[in-house]
Amino acid sequence: SQTIHQWPATLVQPVGSPLSLECTVEGTSNPNLYWYRQAAGRGLQLLFYSVGIGQISSEVPQNLSASRPQDRQFILSSKKLLLSDSGFYLCAWSPGRVGDTQYFGPGTRLTVL
Amino acid sequence: KNEVEQSPQNLTAQEGEFITINCSYSVGISALHWLQQHPGGGIVSLFMLSSGKKKHGRLIATINIQEKHSSLHITASHPRDSAVYICAYSNSGYALNFGKGTSLLVTP
Repeated sequence: SQTIHQWPATLVQPVGSPLSLECTVEGTSNPNLYWYRQAAGRGLQLLFYSVGIGQISSEVPQNLSASRPQDRQFILSSKKLLLSDSGFYLCAWSPGRVGDTQYFGPGTRLTVL
Repeated sequence: KNEVEQSPQNLTAQEGEFITINCSYSVGISALHWLQQHPGGGIVSLFMLSSGKKKHGRLIATINIQEKHSSLHITASHPRDSAVYICAYSNSGYALNFGKGTSLLVTP
């Protein structure tokens, strides 16, 4: 069966510090991978998605970047965090069909102080 | 303007009640998704449907493509059903477009 891992679960970082969140998927190959952010009191916002190694699509211009160095690894990064980057970050995967069901990781709660 | 509107925003029900959450969208879609977000933040996909009705246990999801409307029903609600229920659609791309969610509290 497929599983998706995210870490860390919780993170408190100062403004201006770098960020690296990691997501890995097991039990499937060539998944589509997604990074979402949920700010306090708001809905889910798609940040990035990837349909293959090295292929990243950005949905929203922001202070963040994403990379996919391996088939089942997706990394969200920032060089300098802003206060507005605080939120709940979720990684998800889906099979390689358009609009298919997405399966979410447990999430990382990021607080930028 | 959000292309996905959910109602109500918040809902409190007594255990055992029948619950309906509504979702309206304004664009053509390929599928409609219902998801559940637990109080701890984890999200579980409940249904993906493009027509008709689907049932899983006490949960039923329906969609009317012509009216661009979907409903999620919970029969015999239980306190463990307390969560945020999120409607989302997919169309030509891989991304999902989400509503803001309906916060449900079921009291004993």
